[in-house]
Amino acid sequence: DTAVSQTPKYLVTQMGNDKSIKCEQNLGHDTMYWYKQDSKKFLKIMFSYNNKELIINETVPNRFSPKSPDKAHLNLHINSLELGDSAVYFCASSQAGTANTEAFFGQGTRLTVV
Amino acid sequence: AQSVTQPDIHITVSEGASLELRCNYSYGATPYLFWYVQSPGQGLQLLLKYFSGDTLVQGIKGFEAEFKRSQSSFNLRKPSVHWSDAAEYFCAVGNNNAGNMLTFGGGTRLMVKP
Repeated sequence: DTAVSQTPKYLVTQMGNDKSIKCEQNLGHDTMYWYKQDSKKFLKIMFSYNNKELIINETVPNRFSPKSPDKAHLNLHINSLELGDSAVYFCASSQAGTANTEAFFGQGTRLTVV
Repeated sequence: AQSVTQPDIHITVSEGASLELRCNYSYGATPYLFWYVQSPGQGLQLLLKYFSGDTLVQGIKGFEAEFKRSQSSFNLRKPSVHWSDAAEYFCAVGNNNAGNMLTFGGGTRLMVKP
């Protein structure tokens, strides 16, 4: 009954490969996010989707492409992986448009590019 | 643009001692403020949040935080720290005009001495 689940939890891959991280939420929220946590633990928003439409796209290389097949899913596809992409990626969801809301986070995916 | 500063990168306290983690924010309107905790290898768990009303908010695990508009601060406190509180703590401000995206501070690592 996990609220926000991501797979895989760990991902080790070589430079130049293409990989995907999946995220699903069962909270009925209409907005989902991807955050990146770097090696210094700094967390930064990458993308935000509301009802399957992109509403935020921070300065992220276009090798990163989010895909939202429905409101409950937001997957992250990364092309041509680079060493600098190594980080922990967190998926989150919330109900936008309501004042009293909070974001629920997944457990994170630790991506290591070698 | 909104921003969050957590001045203390590391804090060490003795078990049973009181704790205060500092957070300062910059935001143009009434802020939505959050404290999250991240245990090693885990995702982010919400401790407490402030949207409006009483400036002293209670959270889970015995934590509380006080919103001080005049100081642009939202410091987290706990009267008596337990060894299990050792973790990384993140303060964040939410932008309700941008899909509730969160801007995080750099985090404070709390270590607890026996």
